[in-house]
Amino acid sequence: AQSVTQLDSQVPVFEEAPVELRCNYSSSVSVYLFWYVQYPNQGLQLLLKYLSGSTLVKGINGFEAEFNKSQTSFHLRKPSVHISDTAEYFCAVSGNAGGTSYGKLTFGQGTILTVHP
Amino acid sequence: KAGVTQTPRYLIKTRGQQVTLSCSPISGHRSVSWYQQTPGQGLQFLFEYFSETQRNKGNFPGRFSGRQFSNSRSEMNVSTLELGDSALYLCASSLAGENGYTFGSGTRLTVV
Repeated sequence: AQSVTQLDSQVPVFEEAPVELRCNYSSSVSVYLFWYVQYPNQGLQLLLKYLSGSTLVKGINGFEAEFNKSQTSFHLRKPSVHISDTAEYFCAVSGNAGGTSYGKLTFGQGTILTVHP
Repeated sequence: KAGVTQTPRYLIKTRGQQVTLSCSPISGHRSVSWYQQTPGQGLQFLFEYFSETQRNKGNFPGRFSGRQFSNSRSEMNVSTLELGDSALYLCASSLAGENGYTFGSGTRLTVV
C-alpha cells in the first residue's frame, strides 16, 4: 500500500520569490514519483517525474524536484514564481515493479499555490 | 498529437439514473486509468485498463464499472446514481503505464 502526504494545504507567496511545496510518501515497494498541476476547471498536467537515475529532476515551467529516498520525500521547488503559477499542485506515486503496479497513481491532497503581485 | 479526450465535459443527471462517460486516449496508448476528484476526498483511483483487460481496481462499489475497446477507447459507467457521485471524473492514458500518465480535461458530473 502507498500513501502520499502533502505537508501544506495552501502556500501563499509573492511574485518572483522562491517556493517549495513539500511531499512525503510511504510505500512498501519501490516507487515512481510525479508532480502534477491543475488549473481551475481543467485536468492534470504533468510537471515532472522521477523514474530512476539522478535524484534531481527538472520539469516544465522552471520547476524541479529532488527525490530523497532516506527521507521518503519528493519536494517541488521553483526559484522564482510568476502570477501564472497560481494553481493546485499534486504529488503522486505509483509502484515500479512492472505491469499492475504502474496503472494506479496514489495522490496527495494537493497544495494550493497562490502567487501575489 | 491529440491529447486525451473526454466527453461530455459537463453532465447533469438525476439520482437513480445511470451515466456513461467516454475517454479517447492518446493514439498508441494502451493503458487507460480513471479517477474521481471531489473536494472532500481528493483524487481517488477508480480502475485501470490495459489492452481491454482491467488491470487494477480501486475501492469503489460495484455501481462503478468500466471497459476498454480494441482501439483503446474506454468508457466508465455509474449506475443508480447518488448525490455523492457528483464529481470531476478524470481519464488518463499511457503507453503501458511505466512512463507516467497524461490526463484529459475531465467530465464534471452533477447529480441532482
